[in-house]
Amino acid sequence: EVQLVESGGDLVQPGGSLRLSCAASGFGFSIYGMGWVRQAPGKGLEWVSYITNQMTTFYADSVKGRFTISRDNAKNSLYLQMNSLRAEDTAVYHCARGYCGGGCEAGRYFDYWGHGILVTVSS
Amino acid sequence: EILLTQSPATLSLSPGERATLSCRASQSISSYLGWYQKKPGQAPRLLIYDASNRATGIPARFSGSGSGTDFILTISNLEPEDFAVYFCQQRGSWPLTFGGGTKVEIK
Repeated sequence: EVQLVESGGDLVQPGGSLRLSCAASGFGFSIYGMGWVRQAPGKGLEWVSYITNQMTTFYADSVKGRFTISRDNAKNSLYLQMNSLRAEDTAVYHCARGYCGGGCEAGRYFDYWGHGILVTVSS
Repeated sequence: EILLTQSPATLSLSPGERATLSCRASQSISSYLGWYQKKPGQAPRLLIYDASNRATGIPARFSGSGSGTDFILTISNLEPEDFAVYFCQQRGSWPLTFGGGTKVEIK
């Protein structure tokens, strides 16, 4: 059974930093791309970042230069280092597995998701 | 960045009725569109990928259509567990983007 479990969420002051982790199990982690998607309170889904199985990374403009995605295949783990946090980064952050659909020539969908972890940025 | 506009924002229907949800892209994305179901406190669930393909384990009452810029998610014969928020997402180009969502509520 595929499982994705996020951790590391917390209350942090504006300008602060936080590192989220996602522990993956039940599938060959190293061969899949992985991503982070967030949902602010009362808002819709927002894609944050993605890392391919070849370590190529992609970021939303809203987090570029502040967030860094990484992975450790030996530990079956995905990470999101978040720096210079802003109030608008407050959200539930979901870890999700990338899915190519009919072919991997373009971007990705997400076929398995974690339940998410809350990050609150407030003074 | 490709913008996805979903309509309507809210759909009020009764169990057994048909739901028709729309997603319009700001430029052509071929068939690179997916649909998700989201319930409060739960992880999103992939329903449809590449416009018209049901994901693993998704019931046949969920169907998708469209290409280019206009896409439709149809839920025939609404079940009580189908009342939720539905999001579309494009994978035609980076950055990946989601629509604003359509809430399907019980009338």
